[in-house]
This record gives sequence, C-alpha cells and structure tokens, in this order.
Amino acid sequence: GDSVTQMEGPVTLSEEAFLTINCTYTATGYPSLFWYVQYPGEGLQLLLKATKADDKGSNKGFEATYRKETTSFHLEKGSVQVSDSAVYFCALRGIKAAGNKLTFGGGTRVLVKP
Amino acid sequence: NAGVTQTPKFQVLKTGQSMTLQCAQDMNHNSMYWYRQDPGMGLRLIYYSASEGTTDKGEVPNGYNVSRLNKREFSLRLESAAPSQTSVYFCASSEVAGRGTDTQYFGPGTRLTVL
Repeated sequence: GDSVTQMEGPVTLSEEAFLTINCTYTATGYPSLFWYVQYPGEGLQLLLKATKADDKGSNKGFEATYRKETTSFHLEKGSVQVSDSAVYFCALRGIKAAGNKLTFGGGTRVLVKP
Repeated sequence: NAGVTQTPKFQVLKTGQSMTLQCAQDMNHNSMYWYRQDPGMGLRLIYYSASEGTTDKGEVPNGYNVSRLNKREFSLRLESAAPSQTSVYFCASSEVAGRGTDTQYFGPGTRLTVL
C-alpha cells in the first residue's frame, strides 16, 4: 500500500538558517503530494502541494519539488523565522485513493531559536 | 466562513464511558474524514465519508462508529472508551474532484483522554 517516510525530529535551528525536511514515498503511479503544517495547539493547514512529476509547490518561502525518479518531495526554506516553529507533515493522495484519502508521514517537529 | 469546526475541544472520559465527537463544515464539501493523531505516528484515518449517505472504514476503525448526518455534519462515536483511544482527533473535509483540487481542510482538533 501507499506509505510516506519523513525524517524524524526534532530539528532545531537558529533564525535565518536553511531548513530541509526529507520526505520519500511509496505509491503506484503518480500520486498527489502535500506538505501540511501544524502550529502549536492548532489543526493542520495545507502548506503546499504538487500533482505531477517535476512540479514545484511553493508558499510562504517554502518549496518542494515532486521528484518521481527518487520518489521524494523534500521541503526547503532558505531562511527560517521563529514563527516557522511547528510540526510538518508530508502526505500523499494515491491514484486509487477512494474518497480522496490522504496517507501521512509521522511528522517532523521544527524548533527555530532566536 | 468558519471552515471546519469540532466540539468539544477537550474531553476526559473514564474507561467504558461513551461519547460523540461532533464535526461540521460550511464549505459545501462532499467528503469528510476522521483522523487520530498519536505521537510519532502522524495522522491515521479512522473513518471517512466520500459523500452524503456513505461511510467507509479507514486504517484504524475498531472501537469507533460514525454517522454522516447530512452534507455538513460528520460525527464520531466511541461506544465504550478505552485508554488506547487517548489521542487527538481531527476532522477534515474536501471537495471530491479531479487532481489538483483535492485539498483537505482540517478542524482544530479534540483532545481526548481516557482514564
């Protein structure tokens, strides 16, 4: 079945540092790929998405590129802020996903220090 | 628009008690979902409703029941709560459509503790 693997955290960074969170997936064909962010005490919010190979999703300075050859969708940000402290989830929607179901990775907690 | 709302926000139960978690969305979405979030395990799908009048099991349905009351509302019921059901529960909704329009929108969550 479909699965998502992302790096375990926590990841601790200083403000203005470069952030990378690795995400790889297993799925048939070309799934849709997503990054969701969960700020403390809140629900998940869609951060960005990509629906076909070589697509780049971007939002709020974050980027991720859909790499079919490496089955990856790594999240990057060039200069993080304290406000980026959150848990980040990689997810996919398989091509045969009934009812639009998502499969999530385990989440990566990011802590940005001033 | 309120988006996806959930009640209650917090709940403490004793083993064997029952309760219903409520979820409503005002985005006219067809599909709704219930997930649970446990540390280090991401979100796991409990049940989903692809459209009004239908419900299906997800990855971890045991111990739960759901009702799609109408297009807006999707409730999750624990008939006899167990400590293993201590978790944070999220409701989500999406418009069932083609690729590129399948974003799920999440509620703020319900933190449930079963003693």
